[in-house]
Amino acid sequence: DQQVKQNSPSLSVQEGRISILNCDYTNSMFDYFLWYKKYPAEGPTFLISISSIKDKNEDGRFTVFLNKSAKHLSLHIVPSQPGDSAVYFCAATSGTYKYIFGTGTRLKVLA
Amino acid sequence: SAVISQKPSRDICQRGTSLTIQCQVDSQVTMMFWYRQQPGQSLTLIATANQGSEATYESGFVIDKFPISRPNLTFSTLTVSNMSPEDSSIYLCSYPRNSQYTDTQYFGPGTRLTVL
Repeated sequence: DQQVKQNSPSLSVQEGRISILNCDYTNSMFDYFLWYKKYPAEGPTFLISISSIKDKNEDGRFTVFLNKSAKHLSLHIVPSQPGDSAVYFCAATSGTYKYIFGTGTRLKVLA
Repeated sequence: SAVISQKPSRDICQRGTSLTIQCQVDSQVTMMFWYRQQPGQSLTLIATANQGSEATYESGFVIDKFPISRPNLTFSTLTVSNMSPEDSSIYLCSYPRNSQYTDTQYFGPGTRLTVL
């Protein structure tokens, strides 16, 4: 049973437009959510996170939205840049260091 | 930011053999983690490696298959034993930035293992 799902394996967006990456989860005990970005041959790097007590967190071009009733979070990238092309993983945890990851969405930003 | 390295970066191995993956961090850390990413799958936690104690394994992973060493606060190894093609994966180590679980983990670049 996959507790964290990213149903879109890939996404293509024009440079300058908004990228929206989605993530759904099933475990209502999750209290912290993170997004990681991964380039080829590199490890995942932290991008942004959100606590379950919030519904939005913003950091520059990146905003994460959390909808607890729908068990859904999304990452918005505005404006999208070619350097944003990577695989994005969402992750969730419930009070421990054990992160549950989604399968990732490959974002391609077209110049 | 943290510096965390892994060796080897990739390897191709024959079934039935074992491979030891090394993870080196540039500062002393209490906890280190080992993850596996099978093709097309998510990152899955294998075990938590604490210095001075036995590693703690997640459900579905056992010490006989994935023995872990943690000889000091900057280094850990993961061995994939008696390999089969199903072990073909990317193996990553990580550690938390601080003692709060709500803080990020730093990940190594990964070791891409192919078992023939």
